[in-house]
Amino acid sequence: DSGVTQTPKHLITATGQRVTLRCSPRSGDLSVYWYQQSLDQGLQFLIQYYNGEERAKGNILERFSAQQFPDLHSELNLSSLELGDSALYFCASSVGFGGGAPWTQYFGPGTRLLVL
Amino acid sequence: KNQVEQSPQSLIILEGKNCTLQCNYTVSPFSNLRWYKQDTGRGPVSLTIMTFSENTKSNGRYTATLDADTKQSSLHITASQLSDSASYICVGDGGSQGNLIFGKGTKLSVKP
Repeated sequence: DSGVTQTPKHLITATGQRVTLRCSPRSGDLSVYWYQQSLDQGLQFLIQYYNGEERAKGNILERFSAQQFPDLHSELNLSSLELGDSALYFCASSVGFGGGAPWTQYFGPGTRLLVL
Repeated sequence: KNQVEQSPQSLIILEGKNCTLQCNYTVSPFSNLRWYKQDTGRGPVSLTIMTFSENTKSNGRYTATLDADTKQSSLHITASQLSDSASYICVGDGGSQGNLIFGKGTKLSVKP
């Protein structure tokens, strides 16, 4: 158990809908990362927050948005869902970020999203 | 373009045998190289992290090497166990950008 929690574990929805995925980082971790893992793509970095502020952006679609709240939990919002958005969405957390330091990222169990 | 390539894509070995997984990376700027183990349907677990100045790091039966000149890394697994069956993912860390470039992984199957 990494200490990172994600809810829900599974989500089934229809095209065009909007969903929210939730992540609680490990106690003491200030940085939260979101990743998408599709069958044929491997893990893709989406976005990172540190202590409530966005710090880095990867290949995140404009239909997707995220935020980190004062209690450090984070939410990833996916809207106007398409079939291709079906994937595993992982959240990870670390104590710090950047500066060239090798911060260990701890991954949550993921949310499996299926868009029908 | 930043990318990480891993080989082989998949590998089957017998329990107790050793194996080596390869990773070539093009990540600029480069801060460190990570190896993760991912069981099917679960989140990745960090095995090793090496900065550009390190050339080897061990974690139990896992030993990673890094050659920053040739931009190559390897993960050696000694005396494999059935529980080593998983995907092993190589990751290049760009450092201050705070993002990671993931390889597609090597799927290892350890058979009794």
